[in-house]
Amino acid sequence: QLLVTQSPSVSASLGASVKLTCTLNAGHYSYAIAWHQQQPKKGPRFLMRINSDGSHIRGDGIPGRFSGSSSGAERYLIISGLQSEDEADYYCQSWTTGKNCVFGGGTTLTVL
Amino acid sequence: QVQLVQSGSELKKPGASVKVSCKASGYRFTDNFLHWVRQAPGQGLEWMGWMNTNTGNPTYAQDFTGRFVFSLDTSVSTTYLQINNLKADDTAVYYCARAFSGSVDYWGQGTLVTVSS
Repeated sequence: QLLVTQSPSVSASLGASVKLTCTLNAGHYSYAIAWHQQQPKKGPRFLMRINSDGSHIRGDGIPGRFSGSSSGAERYLIISGLQSEDEADYYCQSWTTGKNCVFGGGTTLTVL
Repeated sequence: QVQLVQSGSELKKPGASVKVSCKASGYRFTDNFLHWVRQAPGQGLEWMGWMNTNTGNPTYAQDFTGRFVFSLDTSVSTTYLQINNLKADDTAVYYCARAFSGSVDYWGQGTLVTVSS
């Protein structure tokens, strides 16, 4: 059964970079994932899709300071030049095409 | 541009039913599945299932069988979520979202359903 795991929280300083991690469970290391951002009191927004080879496609209007990479079971969201509006919950999503889909528990990013 | 516009907030009593709509525009409706996702107060995102807009075949996540029904009307590019026999813990924001090869790439604005006596 497909599962994705995220750390509950992370913090970083204004202007710095931060890396969020999404971990796929065994047997699913070839899967793509997507990252979504949910700012306080707002709905989610698609950030990017990351493939197992690390290639990624950003959503419409997502700035280049959001990037992604991959290593084994892990898929990363890297945010550089942190801004106050980046303080949000970030959700990882993966899926088995045509069958099912799963979200991680979310990572709360605090910008110090 | 792609847009998913959902119906407005609902307040229902336990045991009642509710039907939430999600109208798509800006793309060919039958080209993409549509997900339904629940977010209970203070909680994370929970996948409920998806609707194959080409065949009309729904797929439900394990926790959302029985009382939850997906449907669609392709003539108006709209998919629906109906929840029957509402319970207090159905109180949540419900999102529709477009699937792009499985990934969500666009989200609706969300519909708050409150179940209270």
